[in-house]
Amino acid sequence: KNEVEQSPQNLTAQEGEFITINCSYSVGISALHWLQQHPGGGIVSLFMLSSGKKKHGRLIATINIQEKHSSLHITASHPRDSAVYICAAGNFGNEKLTFGTGTRLTIIP
Amino acid sequence: EPEVTQTPSHQVTQMGQEVILRCVPISNHLYFYWYRQILGQKVEFLVSFYNNEISEKSEIFDDQFSVERPDGSNFTLKIRSTKLEDSAMYFCASRTDSSGNTIYFGEGSWLTVV
Repeated sequence: KNEVEQSPQNLTAQEGEFITINCSYSVGISALHWLQQHPGGGIVSLFMLSSGKKKHGRLIATINIQEKHSSLHITASHPRDSAVYICAAGNFGNEKLTFGTGTRLTIIP
Repeated sequence: EPEVTQTPSHQVTQMGQEVILRCVPISNHLYFYWYRQILGQKVEFLVSFYNNEISEKSEIFDDQFSVERPDGSNFTLKIRSTKLEDSAMYFCASRTDSSGNTIYFGEGSWLTVV
């Protein structure tokens, strides 16, 4: 059974700071998802990674398959980035994902 | 931006009652999913559905749960006889194909069982 751990659980930062959220998983996978959950509860998919690195705007996600570790980075953080960020591990074409507990990010103006 | 829509957004039901949660996936998507999140806990996978049948389900998805896509657009989750522990946010999600494209989530349906 895959275990997915995220750190930190809570993160408060000043606007403009560089943010890193970490995710480790115990069993080999082929797809790692980063999701954003808004205060109202809705979930948005940010990235799906199988190797290397992906970038979208101010968001960067990396994965190290050998070390079973992924990171989500936010550059020039903004209060609108405040949300819960969740990583979820699984395999391509199979959304039987194992989810982390989430990291609650608060960006202070 | 295409979106997955879910109804109702919030439902309160008495224990033992049947509940149907409805989802309209994005129109060209082929793979459909239900997840749930009990308040304060992790999101959990319930079931995946493809080609009009369940492709995978978790141990949570017992005989009290069922899914169907009766008319080619709506994708429903039915809970036959609700229990207090079924209170959760239920998310529907969909994806175009198995090549690893983005998964799109709905806004969720809050179910409160009293």
